[in-house]
Amino acid sequence: AIQMTQSPSSLSASVGDRVTITCRASQYIRNDLGWYQHKPGKAPKLLIYAASNLESGVPSRFSGSGSGTQFTLTISSLQPEDFATYYCLQDYIYPPAFGQGTKVEIK
Amino acid sequence: QVQLVESGGGVVQPGTSLRLSCAASGFNFTSYAMHWVRQAPGKGLEWVAVMSHDTTTEYYADSVNGRFTISRDNSKNTLSLQMNSLRTEDTAIYFCARGGYGSGSYLPLDYWGRGSLVTVSS
Repeated sequence: AIQMTQSPSSLSASVGDRVTITCRASQYIRNDLGWYQHKPGKAPKLLIYAASNLESGVPSRFSGSGSGTQFTLTISSLQPEDFATYYCLQDYIYPPAFGQGTKVEIK
Repeated sequence: QVQLVESGGGVVQPGTSLRLSCAASGFNFTSYAMHWVRQAPGKGLEWVAVMSHDTTTEYYADSVNGRFTISRDNSKNTLSLQMNSLRTEDTAIYFCARGGYGSGSYLPLDYWGRGSLVTVSS
C-alpha cells in the first residue's frame, strides 16, 4: 500500500502568515491527490482536488501544487478560521491513503 | 442542499457486530460513489471503504477487509456499513462521504456527514 507522509505534523502560525504543508507519496501517484480541512466535531471539508484544483466555495488563499510524489498545500494569508488539521488523500492506487495530518495552531 | 446523516453507532463488545447507515439527500445518489472514513480518538482520518455508484465495485482498507461490508440501496438513497468481529481498535467516529461522479470515478470526497461514534469495549 502507498504511504503518504505529511510534514510538519504540527505548526504554530499567526494570522496573516503564509503556511506550507507538504505531502510525499511513497510511490508515483500522478496528480490523484486531494487536501482536506478538519475541525473538531465537524465534517471534514474538501479544499483541493486533483492536486491543484480549488473546490468551489473555498477561499482563493488556499492553493495546491505538485505531481508524481511531492505535493504542497499553501495558505497564502492565514485567517482565524483556518486553524484546523489538514490531510492529504491519494486515490491513484487503491486503497486510498490519508497522510497523518498537520495540525495548524495559533501562535 | 446535499445532506449525509449517519446513524447506528453505539457501544458494543469486542467480537460483536454493528450496522451503520447513512441517509443521503439533495443529490442524485445513484450517480455517485460513496465512502466510509473513520477517525479513532486522538488519531487522524483513515479511509475505510468505497462502493461504486452502481454497486458493481467495492474496495476496503486492509484493516477491515473480511470483517466489514459496504452496501447501498439506491432506491432508498442509503449507504450502509456492516461491521462484524469488531475489535477495540475499531473504536472511532465513522463518516460517510460522497465520492466521484459516474463510472470509474471514486474521489474526491466533496461532501461529508457529521459522523457516528462507534465504541468497542468490554
